[in-house]
Amino acid sequence: QQKVQQSPESLIVPEGAMTSLNCTFSDSASQYFAWYRQHSGKAPKALMSIFSNGEKEEGRFTIHLNKASLHFSLHIRDSQPSDSALYLCAVNSGGSNYKLTFGKGTLLTVTP
Amino acid sequence: DMKVTQMPRYLIKRMGENVLLECGQDMSHETMYWYRQDPGLGLQLIYISYDVDSNSEGDIPKGYRVSRKKREHFSLILDSAKTNQTSVYFCASSPGQGVDTQYFGPGTRLLVL
Repeated sequence: QQKVQQSPESLIVPEGAMTSLNCTFSDSASQYFAWYRQHSGKAPKALMSIFSNGEKEEGRFTIHLNKASLHFSLHIRDSQPSDSALYLCAVNSGGSNYKLTFGKGTLLTVTP
Repeated sequence: DMKVTQMPRYLIKRMGENVLLECGQDMSHETMYWYRQDPGLGLQLIYISYDVDSNSEGDIPKGYRVSRKKREHFSLILDSAKTNQTSVYFCASSPGQGVDTQYFGPGTRLLVL
């Protein structure tokens, strides 16, 4: 069964800093890797996703995937107080094209 | 504007009562999901629905059942609710016939006394 772990559990960074969030997974057959963001009391919302090894950038957000090391990450450039939220990584299970397994999340606080 | 709705948003029930949580989407998405979210446990998958009357258990189906009679509507039923089913329940939908972005509803906060 897919195991997804996130680190750190929580993080406090100053406004303008670079933030790095990590996610490891156990199923080497996984094909889809995503990050979701959940503001307090709100629904999770998809940020970005990646299928292939490498890097993908969208605005201030960059996702890195290294399938060989079973690891992917999210980097936020010029972090803003509005980025304060719970960040969830998600990975599909290799045997299922429908099911995502979510990590427990990293709680990010960006201080002004 | 793509939208997933959930009703009710807040619900208080006594142990042993039946609970019906409802979810709707206006995007004609084939696949729909029910999750629960608890502090320290993250999002846990209860059921997946691939289309009308095509449902599959997720990771924690015990104590729950689902119904999908129309593509845009997916219900979660708790028969004889238990106190450990107190949680925030999220419905989600995704468009494809495979793994894809999931669009979440606003959640239902359920308290079972």
